[in-house]
Amino acid sequence: KAGVTQTPRYLIKTRGQQVTLSCSPISGHRSVSWYQQTPGQGLQFLFEYFSETQRNKGNFPGRFSGRQFSNSRSEMNVSTLELGDSALYLCASSFGWDSPLHFGNGTRLTVT
Amino acid sequence: SQQGEEDPQALSIQEGENATMNCSYKTSINNLQWYRQNSGRGLVHLILIRSNEREKHSGRLRVTLDTSKKSSSLLITASRAADTASYFCATVPSGGSNYKLTFGKGTLLTVNP
Repeated sequence: KAGVTQTPRYLIKTRGQQVTLSCSPISGHRSVSWYQQTPGQGLQFLFEYFSETQRNKGNFPGRFSGRQFSNSRSEMNVSTLELGDSALYLCASSFGWDSPLHFGNGTRLTVT
Repeated sequence: SQQGEEDPQALSIQEGENATMNCSYKTSINNLQWYRQNSGRGLVHLILIRSNEREKHSGRLRVTLDTSKKSSSLLITASRAADTASYFCATVPSGGSNYKLTFGKGTLLTVNP
């Protein structure tokens, strides 16, 4: 079974631009979560989608948004990029409420 | 703020030795999970232990949970160079969603050959 796939692997953007990251979950997993990882703040929860609905949201500004498609694939978007948005963005999928998360290898975003 | 706090922040041992990492948390939990992350890559789930469990084993891994002290420990026995990674504990608060994990900042384990 293929794992969680995130694209692109690396991304370099300029302040003020916007970016879209993509995540394909493990087949059969309907929940997709997104996390931001930085050296200073560690792993921080962004949001979680299930059957195209956002069920949980972390404490991030509205510039961070996401969506999930009918095939469970998910995208997250960051608008008006700031230098502090530079991070590793991790996507994870899960089969059920009591199941562990399966993470992708992340998208490394650098904002200059 | 972080719910789980790992201790120590960094640990360096020789191959064959045991490694113990600790995790403390603040609020009541539904379950606690341990994950491993190799440099620059995604996290890999190791063990999930529920609040009504005290100990779990998986291969060379042993996890204990003490809900009265709000702490957990991860023991890796007979460590190998391939165990070099960051280890994170993550908690799901009581009544919370298993999808919204709160991670600690991790313990960086280095196993020297």
